[in-house]
Amino acid sequence: KQEVTQIPAALSVPEGENLVLNCSFTDSAIYNLQWFRQDPGKGLTSLLLIQSSQREQTSGRLNASLDKSSGRSTLYIAASQPGDSATYLCAVWGDKIIFGKGTRLHILP
Amino acid sequence: EPEVTQTPSHQVTQMGQEVILRCVPISNHLYFYWYRQILGQKVEFLVSFYNNEISEKSEIFDDQFSVERPDGSNFTLKIRSTKLEDSAMYFCASNRGEKEKLFFGSGTQLSVL
Repeated sequence: KQEVTQIPAALSVPEGENLVLNCSFTDSAIYNLQWFRQDPGKGLTSLLLIQSSQREQTSGRLNASLDKSSGRSTLYIAASQPGDSATYLCAVWGDKIIFGKGTRLHILP
Repeated sequence: EPEVTQTPSHQVTQMGQEVILRCVPISNHLYFYWYRQILGQKVEFLVSFYNNEISEKSEIFDDQFSVERPDGSNFTLKIRSTKLEDSAMYFCASNRGEKEKLFFGSGTQLSVL
């Protein structure tokens, strides 16, 4: 059974710093991995989708990597801004799409 | 940019009542999903729907739940007799192909009293 873990559960960093969010999964037989952002009480905004044949995807200040063999993905956020404060979720696609519990990110002005 | 639309944004109901949550997926998408998120917990898969039938469902999606695509644009989730533990945020999602990027609506917060 696929399990998805995100560490840390919460993170506070000063504005301007680069940071890395981690996602690990137990079953490497996946199709895709997608990173989402969730603001409090709101829906999920898609950030990046990495297909299983890809190693990374980039969008603006965001870079997501995927290492299937080790069951890990990272989301790198460059030059963090207060507007980046949100919960970041990773979702792993196998038979079903399984979500991690998320990392609550707080960027300190 | 096209988006998935959900109505209502909030729904309050009494235990035992039926509720229908509504979604309008992105127009050229073919795969539709319902997820839920209980406060403070993970987003959980409920059901996927393709070609006018359920393609997969989780153990949460019991006989009290049903989905329907009544016309070419709407996708609904019905809970026949709500329980307290059905209180959650319900998200509709869609994608163009089964392995393509998933787009979520902003959710319906269901409160069962």
